[in-house]
Amino acid sequence: ETGVTQTPRHLVMGMTNKKSLKCEQHLGHNAMYWYKQSAKKPLELMFVYSLEERVENNSVPSRFSPECPNSSHLFLHLHTLQPEDSALYLCASSQDPEGNEQFFGPGTRLTVL
Amino acid sequence: SQQGEEDPQALSIQEGENATMNCSYKTSINNLQWYRQNSGRGLVHLILIRSNEREKHSGRLRVTLDTSKKSSSLLITASRAADTASYFCATVPYSGGYQKVTFGTGTKLQVIP
Repeated sequence: ETGVTQTPRHLVMGMTNKKSLKCEQHLGHNAMYWYKQSAKKPLELMFVYSLEERVENNSVPSRFSPECPNSSHLFLHLHTLQPEDSALYLCASSQDPEGNEQFFGPGTRLTVL
Repeated sequence: SQQGEEDPQALSIQEGENATMNCSYKTSINNLQWYRQNSGRGLVHLILIRSNEREKHSGRLRVTLDTSKKSSSLLITASRAADTASYFCATVPYSGGYQKVTFGTGTKLQVIP
């Protein structure tokens, strides 16, 4: 596979469930990102990892927990979410975290009931 | 307030016409990027223009940057139905080290065949 992949593509969960989103990049990049995209809102940066070290936590509630075990994989663990957390969650990667071109995955459409 | 704001929010044109989208921002930048997003998918990087550049071309795309007015425009010439998508600008404040990329709310372009 090439580029940035995300699984699952769609997820429906209850507020008491625990689930995880997975992102994998096959580009040899050193930086990975999680974004949240809600209707009629700007893309919200959630977390940034550079060489597996978190460099940004953009005031994200603790019910979202990121994990970056290596530079190719990024997870977002979800626990006791709220209906307003329903959104498209996008993963991206870039060669470095210095603000150059980012490559995005197709996203996970999350619905919290 | 958000860094990048696109204008107009929505644009509908006939195939073959040109489409122009604008982005205004508030603080100094190192570079500005344009991305395209097809409905419910990930973003695709189109072009990056640095603060010391005034104009860049890529195929049917032309981007201009006016740092004195803190604005950029994206021109798509001879539009095609496949150009139907949302277009976002993204700004990067400085160079070197970790840089937070800030996205705008986007312009939704519809190209009618």
